[in-house]
Amino acid sequence: DAGVIQSPRHEVTEMGQEVTLRCKPISGHNSLFWYRQTMMRGLELLIYFNNNVPIDDSGMPEDRFSAKMPNASFSTLKIQPSEPRDSAVYFCASSFLSGSQETQYFGPGTRLLVL
Amino acid sequence: DAKTTQPTSMDCAEGRAANLPCNHSTISGNEYVYWYRQIHSQGPQYIIHGLKNNETNEMASLIITEDRKSSTLILPHATLRDTAVYYCIVRVVSQFYFGTGTSLTVIP
Repeated sequence: DAGVIQSPRHEVTEMGQEVTLRCKPISGHNSLFWYRQTMMRGLELLIYFNNNVPIDDSGMPEDRFSAKMPNASFSTLKIQPSEPRDSAVYFCASSFLSGSQETQYFGPGTRLLVL
Repeated sequence: DAKTTQPTSMDCAEGRAANLPCNHSTISGNEYVYWYRQIHSQGPQYIIHGLKNNETNEMASLIITEDRKSSTLILPHATLRDTAVYYCIVRVVSQFYFGTGTSLTVIP
């Protein structure tokens, strides 16, 4: 099992540029989550999907952030335009929701630096 | 609102049991307690979870008090590779609130 796959693993960009982060969840999982981690705010949930439908995007910081899940095996998180304060590690996680139990499995993360 | 409270940091001697406490006094009856750990800013790694009964797997044991207001994660024989930040999480629907966790340092 390959686990959750994220790309790129590292991204350095200049302020104002568009950034696209990619995630491939574990096959068979029906929920996908995007998190952001910074020293100041810790690990925060940005958005999550269930069966490819966005369920809760209340954690998305502002309109510059958008996420899509066109099919069960792929999701993107886009930042346009990027700002230095967006620098963080972005994690994708997936799970299979069965009854009331759910274990999320995390990818290795994308380390984003916006200059 | 913080759903869990954990000590900021702990030390443990290599080979000894590491007991990591967590307070979750506002937990509801159908909410599970999950434990994850994060090593060197890698992705958080699932350890164990439980509802009411004590649980054990190949990584750790989870002891939940009878009133479910607190729990303890036990690593029976800590190794240097167990040095990490450990998060105690109360799952609400599909939302995991990670909090600040406990930074465990295993000392040789």
